[in-house]
Order: sequence, then structure tokens, then C-alpha cells
Amino acid sequence: EIVMTQSPATLSVSPGERVTLSCRSSQSVSGNLAWYQQKPGQAPRLLIYGASTRATGIPARFSGSGSGTEFTLTISSLQSEDFAVYYCQQYNDWPPATFGQGTKLEIK
Amino acid sequence: QVQLVQSGAEVKKPGASVKVSCEASGYRFTNYGISWVRQAPGQGLEWMGGITAYTGKPNYVQRFQGRVTMTTDTSTNTAYMELSSLRSDDTAVYYCGRGHHYIDYWGQGTLVTVSS
Repeated sequence: EIVMTQSPATLSVSPGERVTLSCRSSQSVSGNLAWYQQKPGQAPRLLIYGASTRATGIPARFSGSGSGTEFTLTISSLQSEDFAVYYCQQYNDWPPATFGQGTKLEIK
Repeated sequence: QVQLVQSGAEVKKPGASVKVSCEASGYRFTNYGISWVRQAPGQGLEWMGGITAYTGKPNYVQRFQGRVTMTTDTSTNTAYMELSSLRSDDTAVYYCGRGHHYIDYWGQGTLVTVSS
């Protein structure tokens, strides 16, 4: 089973800042990686699939990059509604799909 | 619009079973798979498995093999996930989602509490 590792666990940032979240896989997942955002009490929301394709309705300030074992999610200018937990998920070695442990974005 | 509506919260005793439903609308049900993901309190996401709606063929994560059963009813566009031999550490929110690999639409979640 592929292990997904996200860093950092928590990131304190200010609105308007640019932020980069990292996700690493224990073996190559090619470009088969998704990113999700989850706010308290809500279901996750798909942001990115195929490592870099924004899902329907996702603002352009969200971008994904990477392939193989190293991936990043960048938010170009943080908005107040972006403070949440972010998960990466590989679906290359499926089943099972596996999630990272999450990165929490909190307000500085 | 695509919607996945799950059944309500459940409280179960250890050793019992729970069956969660997920009714899909707004798309052709048989064109997509359904995945099931759970989230223990304060924890991350855990993929449990998925099912091809058209064929009804499931794929389960090995750690749930023998305890989980995923099914679909194409006449009602509903997917089901049954988990048996419940333990306290099965207490979690259970989500269904559209898609086999990545999930583009999610249900609202069903809280399953296992307590004696």
C-alpha cells in the first residue's frame, strides 16, 4: 500500500499570503493524485485531480503540480474561506486509494 | 445537479451491524462508481472501498475484508455499505462519494456511533 505523507501538519498563515502544501508518496503514483479541502463539520471537496486539473467551480487561485512522488498544492492569495484542512490522495495504485494525513491551514 | 444523500445517524452496540445508504441523483448512476470513505473523530480520511454501480463489483480495502459489504440498487440509484462486527473504533462519519478513484461529489456523511 502506498503511503502518502503531507507536510507540514499545520501551517499558520495570514490572509493574502501565498502558500504551498506538500505531499509525498512512498512510490511513484505518476500523475494520479487528487487534493481535497475539508472544513469543520463538512464533507471534503475535490479541488484538484490528475495532479494539476482544477475540479469544476474551483477558483483559479488553487493550483496543483508535481508527478511521480512529489506534489504541491499552491494557493496564490489566501482568502478567509480557505482556512481548512487539505488532504492529498493517490489513486494510481488502486485499490486501495490512500490519503495523506492532512495539512491544517490556520490563521496567523 | 449531482447529489448524494445519505441515511441518518446510527447508534449501535459492539458486535452489531450497520447499513448506510447513499441515494444518488442528477447523473446517470451506472456511469460511475461509488466509493466509501470514513473519518474517525478528529482524524483523517480512510478509504474503505468502492463499487462499480453498473456491475455491482466491489473492491474492499483488505483491513475491512470479511466485515464490509458494498452493494448497489440501480432501480433506485442507491448504494449501500454494511459493516458488521462493529467495534468502538468503528465510530466515525461514513461518507459515500461519486467515483472509483478520486471523488468529485460527496454525500453529507453519516455518523455511526458504536457504544455499549
